[in-house]
Amino acid sequence: EPEVTQTPSHQVTQMGQEVILRCVPISNHLYFYWYRQILGQKVEFLVSFYNNEISEKSEIFDDQFSVERPDGSNFTLKIRSTKLEDSAMYFCASSKGSFLTDTQYFGPGTRLTVL
Amino acid sequence: GQQLNQSPQSMFIQEGEDVSMNCTSSSIFNTWLWYKQDPGEGPVLLIALYKAGELTSNGRLTAQFGITRKDSFLNISASIPSDVGIYFCAGSPRAGGTSYGKLTFGQGTILTVHP
Repeated sequence: EPEVTQTPSHQVTQMGQEVILRCVPISNHLYFYWYRQILGQKVEFLVSFYNNEISEKSEIFDDQFSVERPDGSNFTLKIRSTKLEDSAMYFCASSKGSFLTDTQYFGPGTRLTVL
Repeated sequence: GQQLNQSPQSMFIQEGEDVSMNCTSSSIFNTWLWYKQDPGEGPVLLIALYKAGELTSNGRLTAQFGITRKDSFLNISASIPSDVGIYFCAGSPRAGGTSYGKLTFGQGTILTVHP
């Protein structure tokens, strides 16, 4: 069964450094998402992406964050200058885009630790 | 922003018992989803609900989309040890279109099953 994959599984970085988290969505999906989950808390929406542009973003997704689909398969989340509070699990999700019955499938996540 | 209140926060049950958890919202959601998350992994979709009043089953799982569109419940019958994990409800206010966009997640229910 097709699945969303994410790399790396764990990223450790120093505060102020840039990180790029990578995702390969399910191949025939058109909508892509990033969510994050701070340890012990609920999953929070960051951004959605469709047709090569951001379609929606949350207040968490400030100027330090950016997303890109550099080729036909990858979807990336960049954090320009990481802060301690960016430490979290970051989940990529994708969906096909089905009228009224769309379903988002999540990847296994990247654990980001900012020191 | 919209919030989902999920209860209970945690449950400790014996193998074979039935489990019920629910989510409520002060505003309308037009799509309800139930996900399960194992430690260190991404949420896995269990059941998706798209119509008010809809009752859907997936094996031992049954979920309902409340008539008011402000609540949903998930039942697990005859629990087994592998049911252990965190269960999240998630919803989207969007109606129509080919993607429901961002999901709002509940706080999660931690389920422990004693053999």
